[in-house]
Amino acid sequence: DTGVSQNPRHKITKRGQNVTFRCDPISEHNRLYWYRQTLGQGPEFLTYFQNEAQLEKSRLLSDRFSAERPKGSFSTLEIQRTEQGDSAMYLCASSPLAYEQYFGPGTRLTVT
Amino acid sequence: TQLLEQSPQFLSIQEGENLTVYCNSSSVFSSLQWYRQEPGEGPVLLVTVVTGGEVKKLKRLTFQFGDARKDSSLHITAAQPGDTGLYLCAGKGGSYIPTFGRGSSLIVHP
Repeated sequence: DTGVSQNPRHKITKRGQNVTFRCDPISEHNRLYWYRQTLGQGPEFLTYFQNEAQLEKSRLLSDRFSAERPKGSFSTLEIQRTEQGDSAMYLCASSPLAYEQYFGPGTRLTVT
Repeated sequence: TQLLEQSPQFLSIQEGENLTVYCNSSSVFSSLQWYRQEPGEGPVLLVTVVTGGEVKKLKRLTFQFGDARKDSSLHITAAQPGDTGLYLCAGKGGSYIPTFGRGSSLIVHP
């Protein structure tokens, strides 16, 4: 399978814990995006990488969120000191061009 | 800020019916994508439209980009239960970050 993969698919954590998600993009895609989606909403942009450079970050993203893409391959999204409001589906997408995006299956986070 | 409004928000129809969902904005987009998302999964790209007035067909799905590149529509002919899902439109303007609408949730009953 050469699509975008995300791990884990589901994560349940207690409030205050740190969590880390991983995204493996399609190998030849140099652009990678992270989104958050809650029920009844479209994907909300979090951050964008071109190769290993993080070029844009949403102003809505608090300092508890950090993302990396070492060597321009896989990416990780870390949430520190999780809050109940962080419960959502976290989606990763990769893109060969500036507009077409290929999404992974997402990581469903539940903060109790 | 570029906003995309999708309508209707919810649609429940019987198998065999036709339907159209809309994606509207006051902003001009250089391209617009349509995605379908099933519960618990990521969105799947259906089509990209680039040229004003462009019409693309994907089996029973017909996509149209408005002449002014501010709006788009998706028409499904003879809907089937397998068409059930959340239909999202996303527009790209001047940056690398596309803007997503909230989606139109479609349920097709057998």
